[in-house]
Amino acid sequence: DAGVTQSPTHLIKTRGQQVTLRCSPKSGHDTVSWYQQALGQGPQFIFQYYEEEERQRGNFPDRFSGHQFPNYSSELNVNALLLGDSALYLCASSALSGGLGETQYFGPGTRLLVL
Amino acid sequence: AQTVTQSQPEMSVQEAETVTLSCTYDTSESNYYLFWYKQPPSRQMILVIRQEAYKQQNATENRFSVNFQKAAKSFSLKISDSQLGDTAMYFCAFMPPITNAGKSTFGDGTTLTVKP
Repeated sequence: DAGVTQSPTHLIKTRGQQVTLRCSPKSGHDTVSWYQQALGQGPQFIFQYYEEEERQRGNFPDRFSGHQFPNYSSELNVNALLLGDSALYLCASSALSGGLGETQYFGPGTRLLVL
Repeated sequence: AQTVTQSQPEMSVQEAETVTLSCTYDTSESNYYLFWYKQPPSRQMILVIRQEAYKQQNATENRFSVNFQKAAKSFSLKISDSQLGDTAMYFCAFMPPITNAGKSTFGDGTTLTVKP
């Protein structure tokens, strides 16, 4: 049973560029959440996708956008990159049905460095 | 908005001893879920234990157990018989029911070092 996978593992971009990060949820999961984790801090909730729609959103600017595909995989897009966007980006998946919908399983993350 | 506070930035424990990590939270919700996650130096976030707020019984998973005090909004993690592999950063997380429009919130973590 494959867990949550993310790609790429590492990424280096320059200010002003755009980046796309990808996530495949755990088998049987239909909900994907994205988090930003700065070094030495806890993950900050960016947004959550279910049924290809953004259901919840944290306090992140519109430069952060996402998408969920029919196979439940998801993308996180960040436009006009800033130095402060450098962080570990975590994807977490969960299953809306079955009473364990709130239990999120995390991927290994994508380390983004903005120069 | 919910807040989660982990007041111990760093802790250490001798191998085979017991250690307790603290977490307090603030919410106006009556139904919610609490989690402890472990993040080793490899950075993969791993689920340790889960607690539903409507359950009075404290959750237990092998050497890991919680002390959930709903009225006090406290959710501590006890690790018994600590092992070297328990060395990691531990995060306490609050999650509202997935059917609500609430947002999940993590604390800033406690770095636990298990010493041989």
